[in-house]
Order: sequence, then C-alpha cells, then structure tokens
Amino acid sequence: KAGVTQTPRYLIKTRGQQVTLSCSPISGHRSVSWYQQTPGQGLQFLFEYFSETQRNKGNFPGRFSGRQFSNSRSEMNVSTLELGDSALYLCASSVNGDTQYFGPGTRLTVL
Amino acid sequence: QQPVQSPQAVILREGEDAVINCSSSKALYSVHWYRQKHGEAPVFLMILLKGGEQKGHEKISASFNEKKQQSSLYLTASQLSYSGTYFCGTIAGGSNYKLTFGKGTLLTVNP
Repeated sequence: KAGVTQTPRYLIKTRGQQVTLSCSPISGHRSVSWYQQTPGQGLQFLFEYFSETQRNKGNFPGRFSGRQFSNSRSEMNVSTLELGDSALYLCASSVNGDTQYFGPGTRLTVL
Repeated sequence: QQPVQSPQAVILREGEDAVINCSSSKALYSVHWYRQKHGEAPVFLMILLKGGEQKGHEKISASFNEKKQQSSLYLTASQLSYSGTYFCGTIAGGSNYKLTFGKGTLLTVNP
C-alpha cells in the first residue's frame, strides 16, 4: 500500500497570507489527524477528521481549520499567517484513530 | 493534557541499554510509541492497551502500568540506528481517540 502523502513538501509565505495543505491517507484509512511540530514543543495536536467529520480538536486558534472529503483526503487551512506559524505540519492516517501512520510533512516558513 | 516523558535526552554507547518513561495524569486507554529520525516523519513502534501487557520486537520492548498510568520503553543492546527522538502518545479513556504526544526524548547512540 502507498503511504501517507502530503503536498506541498515546502512552502514559503509572508505574514497575513493564507495557506492550504493537503494530505492523502493510506487507502482504507478513514481517520486523518493533523499535528504541528516545532523545536521544543514536540507534536501539537491540531484536529482529527473521521468520515468527513471533525471528531477531535486541539487548542489552536480559529485561524487553523480543516476538512475531509468523501475519499478521506484532508486539507488544512491557516489564514492570516503569523511568524509563529512556521513549523513542520504532519498529517497521520489511521483506520479509526488508533495506530497512526505519518506522512513526510509540509515545512511551512512564514516571513 | 500532555504526557510527561523522561529523560529529555540520553547519550549511549553502542551496546548499552536505555529506558524511556512516559507518565500521564489521566486514566489511559492506550499508549503509543514512535521514533523520529532527524528530517523524517515519526515511525510507529508499538501500541500498548490497558491491561499491563508488555510488547516488543527485536531489542525494543515496552510495558504499560495501568494503575500508575505509566509506560516505559526499553532499548537493549542499542545500535547506531536507534538514534532519534522517541515520542510517547497517549489516548485517555473517554477522549474519543484523541492521541496526545509527549515532548519527546532525544536518544543518541555513539560508536
């Protein structure tokens, strides 16, 4: 089976802009979770989608949003980018939120 | 609430053993262990469900003490390839499969 894929792999944006990241889960996986990873903070949970519904949400501002499509692919959107949003954004897929398999991540740099 | 990992970092020589601990203040349903090498995505190692079972493969094993809400990862006869950051993730009972990660333990194995 193909693994989790994320696009794009790298992004450079400026403050105030908006960005959309994409994640394609492993075939058959209905759960997609998103994490923000920064040095010293580890993996911070953003949200989880299961069968097109947001099932869990982390403690991030409303500028961070997501959605999941009927084919389980998921997108994450960040509006009004801030310098502090620079991070590696990882998505992970699982059958039902249990064992999660991570994608390679999208490295976002906000200038 | 984020699980607490200890130690934050450990340096070993090849062939030495290490223990990484993970504790939570919440009643846990499961504990997940991942390893992340620099510049790569986290890779799933193993999952432990409540019940105190111990799991392992090759020279890496883990235990889960349900009464104390603690898990330990044991690396025996370490190899250079074991180097990386180890994360524990926990799913608390009633959390609707929300996986929360600790800040990680940086393991360095030297020749």
